[in-house]
Amino acid sequence: QKEVEQNSGPLSVPEGAIASLNCTYSDRGSQSFFWYRQYSGKSPELIMSIYSNGDKEDGRFTAQLNKASQYVSLLIRDSQPSDSATYLCAVNMNDYKLSFGAGTTVTVRA
Amino acid sequence: EPEVTQTPSHQVTQMGQEVILRCVPISNHLYFYWYRQILGQKVEFLVSFYNNEISEKSEIFDDQFSVERPDGSNFTLKIRSTKLEDSAMYFCASSDGSSNTEAFFGQGTRLTVV
Repeated sequence: QKEVEQNSGPLSVPEGAIASLNCTYSDRGSQSFFWYRQYSGKSPELIMSIYSNGDKEDGRFTAQLNKASQYVSLLIRDSQPSDSATYLCAVNMNDYKLSFGAGTTVTVRA
Repeated sequence: EPEVTQTPSHQVTQMGQEVILRCVPISNHLYFYWYRQILGQKVEFLVSFYNNEISEKSEIFDDQFSVERPDGSNFTLKIRSTKLEDSAMYFCASSDGSSNTEAFFGQGTRLTVV
C-alpha cells in the first residue's frame, strides 16, 4: 500500500476557476501535512502546512485535513496561469522524514 | 529570506566515480535531509541528520552513500561508485526542529552519471 496517494491528474482548469487536489495517507499516526509546489525542473516549494482537522486558508490557497478519513486536500481559488505546476502532498510520518505523493500536475488555461 | 543552498547545480560524472554534493542549510535549523527525485518520479527520502548523526535512512541509502557535516555550515552527501541509476535530482532540505517540522528545500543538484 502506497504511503501517500494523490489523484493522478493532470488537472486542467480555466483561469479564475477553483482547482481541487486530493491526497490520502496510510499512517494513521501522521501528525503534519504539507503541500509543496514544484515547477518543472525546480525544487519543491512549501506553500501550505496543516496540523489540525479542519480548514486553513492562506491567500488563494485552502488546505483541508480530516484525520479520521486520512485525507488532505488543497483548493486553489481564482487559479492563475502561474499556478500551473505539479503539487506534491507530503506527510510527516515521524520527526525525521517526509513521505511524498507522486504529485498532481495542474494546468491553468488562460 | 534565508534559504538552503546547494552546489553544484549540475554534476556530470563517469560511472564508478565518487561525487560529493554540498549543501548549506538554513543557519538556525537543526535537522538536515537529503531527498532525491529520479526524472518523472516522486521525491524520495534518503536520509535525515540531527545532532551530528543519522536519525533515519531509507532502503535506498545503502553503503554506497554517506553524509557528513564537516563544519558548522556545510552538509554533504557522498555517493561512491556511481551507477547509471543514480542519475537524479538530489535535494537538500532543512527544518528547525520544532514540532511542525516544516522542511525547506534547496534548488537541487542534477546528477548525471554517464
